[in-house]
Parts: sequence; structure tokens; C-alpha cells
Amino acid sequence: QKEVEQDPGPLSVPEGAIVSLNCTYSNSAFQYFMWYRQYSRKGPELLMYTYSSGNKEDGRFTAQVDKSSKYISLFIRDSQPSDSATYLCAMSDNNAGNMLTFGGGTRLMVKP
Amino acid sequence: DSGVTQTPKHLITATGQRVTLRCSPRSGDLSVYWYQQSLDQGLQFLIQYYNGEERAKGNILERFSAQQFPDLHSELNLSSLELGDSALYFCASSPRGRVNEQFFGPGTRLTVL
Repeated sequence: QKEVEQDPGPLSVPEGAIVSLNCTYSNSAFQYFMWYRQYSRKGPELLMYTYSSGNKEDGRFTAQVDKSSKYISLFIRDSQPSDSATYLCAMSDNNAGNMLTFGGGTRLMVKP
Repeated sequence: DSGVTQTPKHLITATGQRVTLRCSPRSGDLSVYWYQQSLDQGLQFLIQYYNGEERAKGNILERFSAQQFPDLHSELNLSSLELGDSALYFCASSPRGRVNEQFFGPGTRLTVL
């Protein structure tokens, strides 16, 4: 079993929909939680960065962390075709030398 | 554009060969990380350098090595290449005091024939 699990999708939604992307993890030592967006054949782009449990909002994006359930989410409001990409969750535990452990990514398609 | 640069963009080589991938971190970032992304393994951490010193190692093969130079650029050396080494190799850097905020470069696509 992988440390970080993510549904690979693809997830197909109509333009304007609210998108929910999720990851579960097994390592209770993870304290930092990130979401990256990766377009095809490009480098991952950091979208959201959160520490411990709670919510963080940035424009159309909201990240939620529930450490008690070992579950994190990314919500995208008013989704646009330009949001079509693969979304990767990543986590780290400072005791592991700042390495990021990634989920496998969820491919999102937003249809006009 | 994250500010992290990587060269070359593409590399095609043969089994048994050796290649060097280069990375320049964002201005002011002291930490450099190398990751490998393949279809079957996803994005996996290889190694981290901080201000010239190795800080952490992941599942990096013995055939692979890296270093960070005084000007903070880093190189990843891959030797005795095998077909299974074909992948995207990413470099990332992070700001001082915010080591978990890692900004990725555009990657080098390595194809081993």
C-alpha cells in the first residue's frame, strides 16, 4: 500500500462546476500538505501549501486538511477549461529531510 | 515560470551510457531537490542538497549521483543507463525557512534506447 493514495481519475466535469479532489495517507507524521497542478509534459506548479489541520483559501481554490482522518481535499470553484490538468497532492514530515511524498495524481478534465 | 531552470529539455541516449542533467535554483534558494517521474512509479524523491551539502536521500540508485556547486547550481549524473531509467527528471528549489514549499523546474525528459 502506498503512503499517499489518490484516485487517478479521469474526473470529467462541466465548466463552472465545483471540483473536489482528495488524498488519503497513512503516515501520521506528515505535517505539511501541498497541492500541485501539472499540465502535460510540464513541471508541477505549487497551488496550495498548508500546515497541519484546517482550511486555506486562495481565490477559487480551497485546501482542507483533516489529520484525524488522514484525509486532505482541494476544492476548485467555478472550474474553467484551463483547470484541465493533473493534480498532485504532496506531503512532508520535517524529520524526513524535507522530501515530498506525492500521490499518483488525479487527471481533471473541465469541458466547455 | 517557477524561476527554476533545467537543461537539457530532452535527452536521448543508449543503454550503458552516462548523462548529466543540470539545474539552476531560483535566485536566493539554497535547497535543491531532484525527483524522478515515471508512469509506473509516479513522482519520487531522489536527493536533496542544501548550500552544497547533501541533506537527504531517497530511493536513489547507486548508479545515480548528484552534487551542488558553490554557485548553487546542481547536477544529477546518471550512469550505466538502463531502459527503465527513461523518465522525466525534475529539479526543485525552496526558499530559506520554507523548505516544504518546493518550486519545480520544467524537467528533463530522458529517453534510453
